[in-house]
Amino acid sequence: EPEVTQTPSHQVTQMGQEVILRCVPISNHLYFYWYRQILGQKVEFLVSFYNNEISEKSEIFDDQFSVERPDGSNFTLKIRSTKLEDSAMYFCASSPRRANNSPLHFGNGTRLTVT
Amino acid sequence: DQQVKQNSPSLSVQEGRISILNCDYTNSMFDYFLWYKKYPAEGPTFLISISSIKDKNEDGRFTVFLNKSAKHLSLHIVPSQPGDSAVYFCAAPNQGGKLIFGQGTELSVKP
Repeated sequence: EPEVTQTPSHQVTQMGQEVILRCVPISNHLYFYWYRQILGQKVEFLVSFYNNEISEKSEIFDDQFSVERPDGSNFTLKIRSTKLEDSAMYFCASSPRRANNSPLHFGNGTRLTVT
Repeated sequence: DQQVKQNSPSLSVQEGRISILNCDYTNSMFDYFLWYKKYPAEGPTFLISISSIKDKNEDGRFTVFLNKSAKHLSLHIVPSQPGDSAVYFCAAPNQGGKLIFGQGTELSVKP
């Protein structure tokens, strides 16, 4: 069964550094998402992306965050200047249709540790 | 954002018995609900969903019940197996398609 793949599985970075988290969504999916889960907290929405533009973003997704689909297969999340509180599991997800009536398929996540 | 709530952080059940996981929501505009299962070090895996036009959806050992008047849904697993031990999240998309998750319930099925 096709799956969403994320790399790296674990990223350690120093505060103030830039990180890029990479995702390869399922090939025929059209909607792409980033979620994150801080340890012990809920899974929370960051951003959705469709037709090469952001559809919706949360208040967490400030100007330090950006997303890009540089080619037909990759979907990336960039954090320009990481903060300690950015430490979390970051999950990429994709779906063939809007999330209103179609389940999202999640990758296994990237654990980001900011020191 | 407390629109989707799972008030039980954990549940322990004996193998072979029924597991019942509960979820409440506050937004009456929600019309589609999902349950996800999550193992440690993995992403959430879609389990089962239900549309608000139904009150029950069944898939093998998993059944989701929806009570719209009470704004409550539940996931029943029967019979429970040790491999079902995981964190279960209920979730609902808002009108824009943003998926809102509950806090999760950690299910432990003991042999």
